[in-house]
Amino acid sequence: NAGVTQTPKFQVLKTGQSMTLQCAQDMNHEYMSWYRQDPGMGLRLIHYSVGAGITDQGEVPNGYNVSRSTTEDFPLRLLSAAPSQTSVYFCASSYSWVRGTDTQYFGPGTRLTVL
Amino acid sequence: DAKTTQPTSMDCAEGRAANLPCNHSTISGNEYVYWYRQIHSQGPQYIIHGLKNNETNEMASLIITEDRKSSTLILPHATLRDTAVYYCIVRASNTGNQFYFGTGTSLTVIP
Repeated sequence: NAGVTQTPKFQVLKTGQSMTLQCAQDMNHEYMSWYRQDPGMGLRLIHYSVGAGITDQGEVPNGYNVSRSTTEDFPLRLLSAAPSQTSVYFCASSYSWVRGTDTQYFGPGTRLTVL
Repeated sequence: DAKTTQPTSMDCAEGRAANLPCNHSTISGNEYVYWYRQIHSQGPQYIIHGLKNNETNEMASLIITEDRKSSTLILPHATLRDTAVYYCIVRASNTGNQFYFGTGTSLTVIP
């Protein structure tokens, strides 16, 4: 198993550009989520999905869109990048929310800089 | 979800036990205590979780007080590779699997 994969590893954008951060998992996990981590801070939840076709907002959803058309993929879209979105982005997945099967597995992260 | 309070940083001598405390005084009956760690800007890694009984696995032990208002993560024989930020999280099992991370405890294992 590759686990949770994220692409790209690094990205530099100009203000106003759009892009999509890719996240994929090959563990047949129902739950997937996106976090951002600013320097010296903990992780903050952006969006999450409890299954294909179902998404919901986390703590800091503004400026980001998500969709979940397949179980494996959960892309994060920045429609108009802003310098405040400079951060490290982590994708995570877990089998379900049931105790014993809710361990979250994290990807290696995407380091995004918006100029 | 209940809030957690952790010390900002701690040191531990290599080979000794590392005891990382966490306060969660507002925890409710259906909330679990989870511990994750993040090594050098990598993605966080699951360590252990529990509800009210003490738990042990190959990585660590989790001691939860009887009133459940605090817990301690124990790394029995700390190594240099255990240097990381450790996050204590409390979460209800029916909240769609959101995990809310704080700023955690930065543990430095000293040779």
